[in-house]
Amino acid sequence: KAGVTQTPRYLIKTRGQQVTLSCSPISGHRSVSWYQQTPGQGLQFLFEYFSETQRNKGNFPGRFSGRQFSNSRSEMNVSTLELGDSALYLCASSLLRESGTDTQYFGPGTRLTVL
Amino acid sequence: KNQVEQSPQSLIILEGKNCTLQCNYTVSPFSNLRWYKQDTGRGPVSLTIMTFSENTKSNGRYTATLDADTKQSSLHITASQLSDSASYICVVSERSNYQLIWGAGTKLIIKP
Repeated sequence: KAGVTQTPRYLIKTRGQQVTLSCSPISGHRSVSWYQQTPGQGLQFLFEYFSETQRNKGNFPGRFSGRQFSNSRSEMNVSTLELGDSALYLCASSLLRESGTDTQYFGPGTRLTVL
Repeated sequence: KNQVEQSPQSLIILEGKNCTLQCNYTVSPFSNLRWYKQDTGRGPVSLTIMTFSENTKSNGRYTATLDADTKQSSLHITASQLSDSASYICVVSERSNYQLIWGAGTKLIIKP
């Protein structure tokens, strides 16, 4: 069974640009969550999608948005990039809601660098 | 306020030794508690998930305990190996809002 895949793995952008990251969950999983991790910091929750609906949102500005498609694949978009957006962006999938007792599986992450 | 606090922040031990990591939480209402292992630059990997009624769960050399009364959990690593060097993160699930509350992690370094 294929794991969670994220594309691209590495990305370099300049301030003011926008970026779209993609996540393909494990087949059959309906929940996709996104996290931001900056160097030396813990994971910061961005949002969770379940059955194409955003179910929870973290404390991030409106520049961060996402969506989930009918095949459970998810994208997140960051507009007007700032230097502080440089981070590892992680996607996780689970069978049902991430807060349940199903195991949550993480992808390898997308390393975004903003210059 | 729902919080998860982990101690110590970092820990260095010699290969072959045992260690115990701590997690205290104030999350309510409680649903479950999980421990993750995160290698540098990689996504976290789930080690254990425990519900209210479970007070011990093992995964190989990793044993997690949960005391729901005192809202404390620990992760014990037996006979440490170099590959155990990683950050260990405690996460508590809040039942009413379906939220995960993440701890900051303990950075464990195993020295040969």
